[in-house]
Amino acid sequence: AQSVAQPEDQVNVAEGNPLTVKCTYSVSGNPYLFWYVQYPNRGLQFLLKYITGDNLVKGSYGFEAEFNKSQTSFHLKKPSALVSDSALYFCAVRAVTSYGKLTFGQGTILTVHP
Amino acid sequence: NAGVTQTPKFRVLKTGQSMTLLCAQDMNHEYMYWYRQDPGMGLRLIHYSVGEGTTAKGEVPDGYNVSRLKKQNFLLGLESAAPSQTSVYFCASSPQPRLAGDTGELFFGEGSRLTVL
Repeated sequence: AQSVAQPEDQVNVAEGNPLTVKCTYSVSGNPYLFWYVQYPNRGLQFLLKYITGDNLVKGSYGFEAEFNKSQTSFHLKKPSALVSDSALYFCAVRAVTSYGKLTFGQGTILTVHP
Repeated sequence: NAGVTQTPKFRVLKTGQSMTLLCAQDMNHEYMYWYRQDPGMGLRLIHYSVGEGTTAKGEVPDGYNVSRLKKQNFLLGLESAAPSQTSVYFCASSPQPRLAGDTGELFFGEGSRLTVL
């Protein structure tokens, strides 16, 4: 079985400050890891993924995430937050052999204050 | 570029009524999925399909049926709606894993908000 935990329901940060949204996972074998963002009344938009290779992954809108196999974590980061980054963020995991079925975390609401 | 299109976007049902949600994708993807999104629970997989004519159960399949008669369409049906099925439903699609074009990601529709009274 595969699972994802996002330990923080909400993250608040001031504009211009760095942000981190935490994610830990459990999966059998090698993982594919993803971050998606959801704006109000919209579908999920892909941000970035880790498949293999470099542990630091860069994605859309200046976001990046670091894969840490020993800690089974895949935290989302951004050096300088924008008010427009405020949204609901989902971490997701898929085992290499699970044929596309993603398991999502419960989501973290990110609020960036002006 | 339409991508993944869901209809209807909003629907209100009474307990016991039936309805069908339609998902259409124009990316020639093999795999399609139905998820439901509930507050504090993330997205949970209801059913999925790995190709035309195939369907399989996900994490929370009870009370739902699906059909994939055409490659581009994936239908989600509720035969007798219950208040516990009040949710936002998302359809997604992806290329066949490990083949050309598979980046691992899913492509989502905009969602269908269903309320069962």
